[in-house]
Amino acid sequence: NAGVTQTPKFRVLKTGQSMTLLCAQDMNHEYMYWYRQDPGMGLRLIHYSVGEGTTAKGEVPDGYNVSRLKKQNFLLGLESAAPSQTSVYFCASSLLIARGGGNTIYFGEGSWLTVV
Amino acid sequence: AQKITQTQPGMFVQEKEAVTLDCTYDTSDQSYGLFWYKQPSSGEMIFLIYQGSYDEQNATEGRYSLNFQKARKSANLVISASQLGDSAMYFCAMREGDAGGTSYGKLTFGQGTILTVHP
Repeated sequence: NAGVTQTPKFRVLKTGQSMTLLCAQDMNHEYMYWYRQDPGMGLRLIHYSVGEGTTAKGEVPDGYNVSRLKKQNFLLGLESAAPSQTSVYFCASSLLIARGGGNTIYFGEGSWLTVV
Repeated sequence: AQKITQTQPGMFVQEKEAVTLDCTYDTSDQSYGLFWYKQPSSGEMIFLIYQGSYDEQNATEGRYSLNFQKARKSANLVISASQLGDSAMYFCAMREGDAGGTSYGKLTFGQGTILTVHP
């Protein structure tokens, strides 16, 4: 049972290069998310998806694109990387939230991205 | 708009003592959930405890308890009998629309508190 898996875990990019982060979950979750974490700050939502083929913007979407072509995968793309995108990226997935709430959210282990 | 505030950038506690990490929140939603996560130096996000806004009792999970004061909009984490392995960053987070399931699970995080446990 892998849970939420992110690849790659570490990457160094040059300014202007492009790359894609892959998030895969094997729990059949409807919702998936990409967050970024900068030093001294909590996680901030970049984009999210409420189902296959759907995506929506979060708090800090600029400079990123996402796709959810398959329910189990959520891709985060950087078309032209900038030093400001140096960060730790976390993917998460969630069950539909049942009445009464509860913890339904599962995080990946993070991807460390440095843009030089 | 949601907002989570953690006013303690760093906290120190002696091993085996209890410590309280503060969290206040702001939301106009009547239904929401509050979470605490632990982030050790290895970087992963570890879920600790959850409190729903309609829960009448404070949540507890082993050595963790959540002191939920709805009128004050605070959700402080209490760690009893601190251990050296508790040294980490701790995040408070909120999710709107819990009872109706309309939030799509999005979380808003505070800035975190670094806890250091001394032997």
